Amino acid sequence: DTGVSQDPRHKITKRGQNVTFRCDPISEHNRLYWYRQTLGQGPEFLTYFQNEAQLEKSRLLSDRFSAERPKGSFSTLEIQRTEQGDSAMYLCASSLGVGVGHQPQHFGDGTRLSIL
Amino acid sequence: QKEVEQDPGPLSVPEGAIVSLNCTYSNSAFQYFMWYRQYSRKGPELLMYTYSSGNKEDGRFTAQVDKSSKYISLFIRDSQPSDSATYLCALGGRGFQKLVFGTGTRLLVSP
Repeated sequence: DTGVSQDPRHKITKRGQNVTFRCDPISEHNRLYWYRQTLGQGPEFLTYFQNEAQLEKSRLLSDRFSAERPKGSFSTLEIQRTEQGDSAMYLCASSLGVGVGHQPQHFGDGTRLSIL
Repeated sequence: QKEVEQDPGPLSVPEGAIVSLNCTYSNSAFQYFMWYRQYSRKGPELLMYTYSSGNKEDGRFTAQVDKSSKYISLFIRDSQPSDSATYLCALGGRGFQKLVFGTGTRLLVSP
């Protein structure tokens, strides 16, 4: 399978714990995105990387959230001191960006986070 | 007012029907228009992608964009039970960084 891969698929944790998710993009894609999706809503943009540089962050991304893409390949999203409102599906997407060239984003199957 | 409006449904149709799904948007800066299909507990799957007004066809799917009215549509011909899913419209601006999604329309196709 050469699509976007996310791990774990489901994470259950207690409120106040820290969690980390991993995303492996399609191999030749230099852009990587994180979105959050709650029940009955469309995905909402969180942050975006081009290679290893984090170029844009949504105001949805509070100080408890941090994302990295250390070598321009896989990415991690960490949530510290989780809260009930963090329960959601966290989606990763990747695309090939060349200058301002436009290629659509391809999504993984997400990590479903449940806060007890 | 949301940037992208989409009727959440559900939309129920019999097998073989033509389905019309729509989104309206308010920001004329959007230049790229996509439709994704999402099955339960799965990620969105890209169906159609266009960056201009007009029609684009791919098999049973036709995407239509009217920039002057800020209105986009997805038509599904000869709908099948396997088309039962949530359909999300997604719009992107110049540079194509973040996408703004509609809420999704849940489609149910009965045999």
